[in-house]
Order: sequence, then structure tokens, then C-alpha cells
Amino acid sequence: ETGVTQTPRHLVMGMTNKKSLKCEQHLGHNAMYWYKQSAKKPLELMFVYSLEERVENNSVPSRFSPECPNSSHLFLHLHTLQPEDSALYLCASSQEGPGSGGVEQYFGPGTRLTVT
Amino acid sequence: GQNIDQPTEMTATEGAIVQINCTYQTSGFNGLFWYQQHAGEAPTFLSYNVLDGLEEKGRFSSFHRRSKGYSYLLLKELQMKDSASYLCAAMDSNYQLIWGAGTKLIIKP
Repeated sequence: ETGVTQTPRHLVMGMTNKKSLKCEQHLGHNAMYWYKQSAKKPLELMFVYSLEERVENNSVPSRFSPECPNSSHLFLHLHTLQPEDSALYLCASSQEGPGSGGVEQYFGPGTRLTVT
Repeated sequence: GQNIDQPTEMTATEGAIVQINCTYQTSGFNGLFWYQQHAGEAPTFLSYNVLDGLEEKGRFSSFHRRSKGYSYLLLKELQMKDSASYLCAAMDSNYQLIWGAGTKLIIKP
């Protein structure tokens, strides 16, 4: 049973829509992550939050906007997306944030996003 | 640049042994991770190596040799439920994970 939940599990949206992805971790962790997973490609780190402060933003387009209101919740706000943004969006958490080696990440099941 | 290489797909027989290789090039090194991901599910942690050598956990073992930028995941007594993608990831000097594209393992009866 994963300690990281994501909603919705599937989302279809048009290019002019605005939607949000939600992630919640029940593990008492201090860091949370958003990843993009496209078929046959490596996981792409999008954003990292440690103790609710953003510590990493890997040059992600501004049409993706993260929000971390507390250490247990993470959102990804989406607007005016492109078809190439269709992918699996994974949330993860870890006990400690970047700067701590050997820290395993616990993943949620992901949101399968399709942009039409 | 930073890079992880692992085979795209492998096939093995139930009950057999399979070795999934991973080579990496990173700016600095803070550990090598293996994750398992069943289709449509979350990746789950399998192993972490930072020193050279073999780490054994039941049917799964992970080997690492830093000087070679090399690791492998060894799966013994394969079961049908081991059919999944296996992701290799190396942590660089900034403690950022660099991920491989994953190896899809197909187990045949």
C-alpha cells in the first residue's frame, strides 16, 4: 500500500483548459517531487520541494506551476498545455531533501495526462 | 553530459536467473538506485549502492563498481510477477537523480 496518493489517476484536457494534479503523502516526509514520465524515456525531474520551499526547477515551461501548501501536499497546476505534454506525471516524497545521499523516494501511482 | 545506459528490453524464463546491466556517467556520485515499476503502477525502491560490492535482498541482488561506472541487478528464481520495468538511477554531486529509460523485463513460462 503506497503512502503517496495522486488524483486524478487519469485526465484528458484540451489545450485551453486549466486543471490541477494533486499529490498527498502520508509518510511524514520532508521533501516532495514532481516527475514527468514519457514512454521509453527516462524520468524527468520537474520540481523539488524541501520543507515546503522549492529547491529545484529544471527549466520547466511556465505552463506548469507547482504549489506546496504544506509538507504533505503538492499540486501541479496546468494551463494551456501542448499535446507533447501528454505523459504520466509522478509524484514522489523522501524523508530528506536534496543534499542527503542515499535517500530513497516513494512514488505515487501517477496521473496519466492526455492533452487533446 | 550525464547519462545512464541500460538495455531497453530483456526476456527470461520463469525459474531462471537474469542480470540487468546499467552503466552511468555523472558529475560526481552519491549512490546508485534500482527501482521496479509494474505497468501502470508506481516505481518502488529495490536497492541502493554507494560502495563497491554486492548487496543481496532475497531473490534480488545489486552489484556496483564505481571505477567502472557500472551496476547490475540480478534476479534469481524468476517468477511471473517479476515482469516489470527496472529503472536504474545514479545520484550526482548535487544529489539529483539521473534516471535511465528502464529495462522492460518479460518473463515467459
